[in-house]
Order: sequence, then C-alpha cells, then structure tokens
Amino acid sequence: KAGVTQTPRYLIKTRGQQVTLSCSPISGHRSVSWYQQTPGQGLQFLFEYFSETQRNKGNFPGRFSGRQFSNSRSEMNVSTLELGDSALYLCASDDGQGASTDTQYFGPGTRLTVL
Amino acid sequence: AQKVTQAQTEISVVEKEDVTLDCVYETRDTTYYLFWYKQPPSGELVFLIRRNSFDEQNEISGRYSWNFQKSTSSFNFTITASQVVDSAVYFCALSSSGTYKYIFGTGTRLKVLA
Repeated sequence: KAGVTQTPRYLIKTRGQQVTLSCSPISGHRSVSWYQQTPGQGLQFLFEYFSETQRNKGNFPGRFSGRQFSNSRSEMNVSTLELGDSALYLCASDDGQGASTDTQYFGPGTRLTVL
Repeated sequence: AQKVTQAQTEISVVEKEDVTLDCVYETRDTTYYLFWYKQPPSGELVFLIRRNSFDEQNEISGRYSWNFQKSTSSFNFTITASQVVDSAVYFCALSSSGTYKYIFGTGTRLKVLA
C-alpha cells in the first residue's frame, strides 16, 4: 500500500496570508490527524478527523482549521499566517477505528515557512 | 496529567556501539499505549513499535530492543551495534483514552559516527 502523502512538501508564505495543506491517508484508513512540529514546542497535536467529523482538537487558535472529505483525504487551513506558524506539519492516518490507541502512520510532512 | 520525558537531548556514539534511549512517561490511566518513532532527516516519522500497558514483555526486533517497566514508568529503547543509518531523532509517545491522540516526548537526537 502507498503510504501517507502530503502536498505540497514545501511552502513559503508571507505574514497575513492563508495556506491550505493536503493529506491523503493510507488506503482504507479513515482517521487522519494533524501535528505541528517546531524546534521550540516539539510535536503538538492539532486535530483529528474520522469519517468527515472532527473528533478531537488540540490547543491551537481558531486560525487553524481542517476538514475531511468522503474519501478520507484531509486538508488543513491556516489563516492570517504569523511568523510563529513556521513549522513542519505532519499528517498521520490510523490503521484502526480512529481510537486514540491505534497506531498512526505519518506522512513526510509539509514544511511551511512564513516570512 | 499525561507527559512523556526524554531527558537525553542528543547522544553521539561510534558505529558498532550499543546505545539506549530513555523514555519516562506519566499517566493516570490504567490502559495506555506507548510508541517509538524514528525521524530521519527527511522528516517523516517512521513507526518502530507499539506496546500496551498490560504487556511488560521485552521485545527484540533485529538490532532493536525495548524494555518496558511499569514500576518505573519507563519504556527504553536499545540499539545494538549501531550503524550510521541509525542516525535520526527518536520520539517516544503515549496514547490513552484520556489524551488527544499522542503525547510526544521532545525527542533524542542520535548521531552515529563512522
């Protein structure tokens, strides 16, 4: 099976702009989670979707949003970008029913740079 | 509160040495899962192992082994006869019914020198 794919791999934006990142999970996986990775804060959970519904959300401002489509593909959007949003954004899909204890498989990430 | 501590920020070893990466966790849940992931320079997190809280048996997979001890809340990872390709950042993670997916440690950067 193909792994989790994320597009684009790299993005450069300026403050105030918005950005949309895309994630395609492993075939058959219905749960998709997003994480932000920065040198200062490490890996932090953003949100999780299962069957097109957001089930869990981390402690991020409302500028961060996401959605999931019927084919399980997911997008995350960040509006009004700030310098501090520069990070590696990782997407992961679950091999189970989206329970918090399932094994997650990660994509290569999208590296976002905000200037 | 849920927490994962990886006290070793960076470790350097010479090829063929054994190395142990420490992971200490905190949780009040009785049912939980622990994971180890490897992050090479490419950025992708590669799954290595998952262990549930009821299974304290050590596990060995090739050069990798894991020691899970509930008494000390630790889930340590040992690489035997390290190789340059083992150079990466290694993350320990905790997941249980009370968490928002995984709680990650801060990672340990392993450098294996030829």
